[in-house]
Amino acid sequence: GENVEQHPSTLSVQEGDSAVIKCTYSDSASNYFPWYKQELGKRPQLIIDIRSNVGEKKDQRIAVTLNKTAKHFSLHITETQPEDSAVYFCAANRDDKIIFGKGTRLHILP
Amino acid sequence: NAGVTQTPKFRILKIGQSMTLQCTQDMNHNYMYWYRQDPGMGLKLIYYSVGAGITDKGEVPNGYNVSRSTTEDFPLRLELAAPSQTSVYFCASSGDGYSYEQYFGPGTRLTVT
Repeated sequence: GENVEQHPSTLSVQEGDSAVIKCTYSDSASNYFPWYKQELGKRPQLIIDIRSNVGEKKDQRIAVTLNKTAKHFSLHITETQPEDSAVYFCAANRDDKIIFGKGTRLHILP
Repeated sequence: NAGVTQTPKFRILKIGQSMTLQCTQDMNHNYMYWYRQDPGMGLKLIYYSVGAGITDKGEVPNGYNVSRSTTEDFPLRLELAAPSQTSVYFCASSGDGYSYEQYFGPGTRLTVT
């Protein structure tokens, strides 16, 4: 079955610097790769997603890249702000399901 | 639209008790999912449904049951609660076809003692 590996598990960056979270997947049939943000005590919410027919997608300070050959995709957050502090989950689809990575806790340091 | 709603928000169960977690969505989504999230951990799929009358097991189905008699509702039943079922439970729904964006409910925090 599909495995989604995510790293690092914890990431601390200075406010204003960039943060990068990386994920790998195992099922070559996966074609949809979302990223979810979960603030403390809240529900996960979609922040960006990418489909297999594109290599990169941007939305303001957030970008995602996909390398289908290597089966890995990454989340890039530029000019980090305090409100970026949260847990981020990558995911990949398999059949009718979404398989989530274990999450990355991002700390933005003042 | 209310989106995905879940009740109750919190619940404490004694070992061996049973309960049903309710989930309702008003977006006419066919796909619905139940996840559990243990403290500091990721989301594990318990059960999912691709439409009314159809359910299937996820990664961690033992100790749980579901039903899907309508498009809107997807209740999760815990039988003979155990401490290992202490967790936060999220229900989610998504539309058909190529888009798999999942909309999550606010969660139910369950403690079994």
